[in-house]
Amino acid sequence: KAGVTQTPRYLIKTRGQQVTLSCSPISGHRSVSWYQQTPGQGLQFLFEYFSETQRNKGNFPGRFSGRQFSNSRSEMNVSTLELGDSALYLCASSFPRTDSPLHFGNGTRLTVT
Amino acid sequence: GENVEQHPSTLSVQEGDSAVIKCTYSDSASNYFPWYKQELGKGPQLIIDIRSNVGEKKDQRIAVTLNKTAKHFSLHITETQPEDSAVYFCAASGGNTPLVFGKGTRLSVIA
Repeated sequence: KAGVTQTPRYLIKTRGQQVTLSCSPISGHRSVSWYQQTPGQGLQFLFEYFSETQRNKGNFPGRFSGRQFSNSRSEMNVSTLELGDSALYLCASSFPRTDSPLHFGNGTRLTVT
Repeated sequence: GENVEQHPSTLSVQEGDSAVIKCTYSDSASNYFPWYKQELGKGPQLIIDIRSNVGEKKDQRIAVTLNKTAKHFSLHITETQPEDSAVYFCAASGGNTPLVFGKGTRLSVIA
C-alpha cells in the first residue's frame, strides 16, 4: 500500500510570492490534515479536510488556505510569503475519526528568501 | 484548547539501557495518545498509541503508560539500539479536536 505522497519535496520562493503544495493520501483515507513543523514551534496544526470540507482549522493567518478534491487529494496554498513561513509542511491522512492514527508524508521543505 | 508538554527535550543513553519520555496534557476530554518517531529527512511515523480506556500498552521493546487522573503519559523504550536514535513526539486529542503535539525529544543512543 503506497504511503502519503507530498510534492514537491523542496521549494525555494521569494518573499511576496505564493506557493501551492500537494498531498496524495493513502488509498481509502478520506481525511487529510496539514501541519507546519519548525525548530522553534514544533508541529503546529494548520487544517483538516474531510469530504472536500474543512473540518478543523488551526491558528494561522488567512494567507494559509487549503482544499480537498473529490479523490481525497489535497492542496495547501500560502500567499504573500514571509520569511517566517520557511518550514517543513507535513500532510497526514487518516480515517475520519479523531482516534484514527495519522499517517504522515515526508513533507515539503519550503524556504523563503 | 489542548496543551501538551514533553520532557526531556534531549536524552542520551548507552546502548542497551532504557529510555523514558514523559508528557502531560491539559484537556481532560482528550482520549487518544499516540507517539511518533521522526528520523532525519522523513515525516513522523506512528510507533505506538493508547486510548483512555487502557492504562498500559506494550509492543516488543516499546511500552506506553497513561495516568488519566494525573493527565500524563510516558513512553518507555527498553534495550535501546542505535537505530532508536531519532526525535520522538507525543500527542493528544479528544472529541472532534485535531492532534496536538509535544515539542519533541531528541534521543541519542550511544554505542
